[in-house]
Amino acid sequence: EAGVAQSPRYKIIEKRQSVAFWCNPISGHATLYWYQQILGQGPKLLIQFQNNGVVDDSQLPKDRFSAERLKGVDSTLKIQPAKLEDSAVYLCASRAPGRSYNEQFFGPGTRLTVL
Amino acid sequence: SQQGEEDPQALSIQEGENATMNCSYKTSINNLQWYRQNSGRGLVHLILIRSNEREKHSGRLRVTLDTSKKSSSLLITASRAADTASYFCATTRRDSNYQLIWGAGTKLIIKP
Repeated sequence: EAGVAQSPRYKIIEKRQSVAFWCNPISGHATLYWYQQILGQGPKLLIQFQNNGVVDDSQLPKDRFSAERLKGVDSTLKIQPAKLEDSAVYLCASRAPGRSYNEQFFGPGTRLTVL
Repeated sequence: SQQGEEDPQALSIQEGENATMNCSYKTSINNLQWYRQNSGRGLVHLILIRSNEREKHSGRLRVTLDTSKKSSSLLITASRAADTASYFCATTRRDSNYQLIWGAGTKLIIKP
């Protein structure tokens, strides 16, 4: 089966600019996650979707970050305006429904550099 | 928030040697998973151990779990250059919407 797709793979922007990332999860995976991974650290959950609804966005900086999953399939994460500290890898992951455990499948990530 | 803490932060060994990484966590868990991340890539699931299991094997990987000490170890036997990567433990709490709580990872370097 095809894996989790993300684009772009790399993005360089100036601070205060806007940027958007796209994720297409594995077909049939109802749960989708966006993570932020700063160099040298583990992933930090930003938002979790179940189909097209938000399960948890408690760690999403809502003054500048937004995410949507309108049709319950692919998702976009937007940063507007970007700050220097947003430089990180943004990872998308998905999980199959009805599993007794919660293995997550990750995309390759988008490496964002804010100058 | 980060729950798991791996040690060591970095490990460099010769090819063919065994590599052991440890993970400690703070709260009661449903299961614990180990993931690998190659440089510039996404994370790949390696192995999952449930809270009622004490040891699990998968190929060259052996995972142990001690819930009384809230710790786990990952052993990679007969290491290869391709094992060079960062290794992360992630835990799931029973009440957490299946969210994973991640450690900071161990960076493993296998020298040829």
